[in-house]
Amino acid sequence: DAKTTQPPSMDCAEGRAANLPCNHSTISGNEYVYWYRQIHSQGPQYIIHGLKNNETNEMASLIITEDRKSSTLILPHATLRDTAVYYCIVTSSNTGKLIFGQGTTLQVKP
Amino acid sequence: DAGVTQSPTHLIKTRGQQVTLRCSPKSGHDTVSWYQQALGQGPQFIFQYYEEEERQRGNFPDRFSGHQFPNYSSELNVNALLLGDSALYLCASSLGTGIGKLFFGSGTQLSVL
Repeated sequence: DAKTTQPPSMDCAEGRAANLPCNHSTISGNEYVYWYRQIHSQGPQYIIHGLKNNETNEMASLIITEDRKSSTLILPHATLRDTAVYYCIVTSSNTGKLIFGQGTTLQVKP
Repeated sequence: DAGVTQSPTHLIKTRGQQVTLRCSPKSGHDTVSWYQQALGQGPQFIFQYYEEEERQRGNFPDRFSGHQFPNYSSELNVNALLLGDSALYLCASSLGTGIGKLFFGSGTQLSVL
């Protein structure tokens, strides 16, 4: 599985968009980009995933660059409850296991 | 619809003891994976069970073993506990083995004294 690089921490004002970057320059053609988040004292929560195209769901949007070497998770209107550690994971569809890095700690401030 | 449930939520053991952690997957899911999360670190994959067999294993010693039952629930067993086994143990379930969309439980916090 390709290695990912994320900033260790970020701040965001409540109500503003939170843009979380992830670099995955060694990604292979069959590898997906997954995003999870972990709120304190809870298990990780799936947010979104994509292969090539941009994706959007009720939680967030995922923007993947054309060369697929990086991506951005966008939380359109961050709330205090979005304060969490966000993990960007690259994995192929046939492994079934996730390799978590250190993630980005997002602090949403009032 | 109950999500992934784990028991117990907290556990205290002493070095050398054995421990069993339990997990019930989300309704309709047939695959269970276990992860270990040390304080301040991301979760680390231990192993995955499907059709009552271990399908994949991470870099963990044989002291870590598991089981999956016909109803898809699972147990994680750790023998000869070490201080370094203190961690949050997370169970995740999915439909199928090659799926990256996992549903996690809240974990069992194990403290080894």
